[in-house]
Amino acid sequence: GQSLEQPSEVTAVEGAIVQINCTYQTSGFYGLSWYQQHDGGAPTFLSYNGLDGLEETGRFSSFLSRSDSYGYLLLQELQMKDSASYFCAVRFTGGGNKLTFGTGTQLKVEL
Amino acid sequence: GAVVSQHPSRVICKSGTSVKIECRSLDFQATTMFWYRQFPKQSLMLMATSNEGSKATYEQGVEKDKFLINHASLTLSTLTVTSAHPEDSSFYICSARERRASSTDTQYFGPGTRLTVL
Repeated sequence: GQSLEQPSEVTAVEGAIVQINCTYQTSGFYGLSWYQQHDGGAPTFLSYNGLDGLEETGRFSSFLSRSDSYGYLLLQELQMKDSASYFCAVRFTGGGNKLTFGTGTQLKVEL
Repeated sequence: GAVVSQHPSRVICKSGTSVKIECRSLDFQATTMFWYRQFPKQSLMLMATSNEGSKATYEQGVEKDKFLINHASLTLSTLTVTSAHPEDSSFYICSARERRASSTDTQYFGPGTRLTVL
């Protein structure tokens, strides 16, 4: 099947660095996206990896390795407002334009 | 950035009634809109893909007669939950993909609709 697995919860302190992993089993996809969702809110786009390697956008970076079926989102200089759920997502080849979301990781940032 | 609105944001209804949720792309044209359902502490589950001017494509296990989708224009899609029951209570979120092809696969999400069926 086609699935994207993430750790369910991650806890870190303010100012720290945290990495949220996304492992997948799929026959092919176009790229790996990351979304942030605060409680009761809409998912917002954070980052996209179309190719292997690291993409950096401010405090957030994302990495993809197709050979390892693995990607991650890296959050630096954590702030309390980063407490949210984070989802990886892919558009599978042959799946049209629809996104399939990972299981989601709830990040708790503590003082 | 692109903006997607949803209305209503919250709705409470009695069991057996129908509820219509609107999703609008405010500053761009969206040939494709997507409807998701999200239960507490869970991921977004795609219900259906809505294509302007054609029938929606439903995911496996989603009843098309219960969740009616209409995509009448390039900026509006509606989801009607017919004969709602308590188990339909959930957070319903729409998203839209810009008409112009994008290599980033970015979808813009609406703020969601919290449906509670009594």
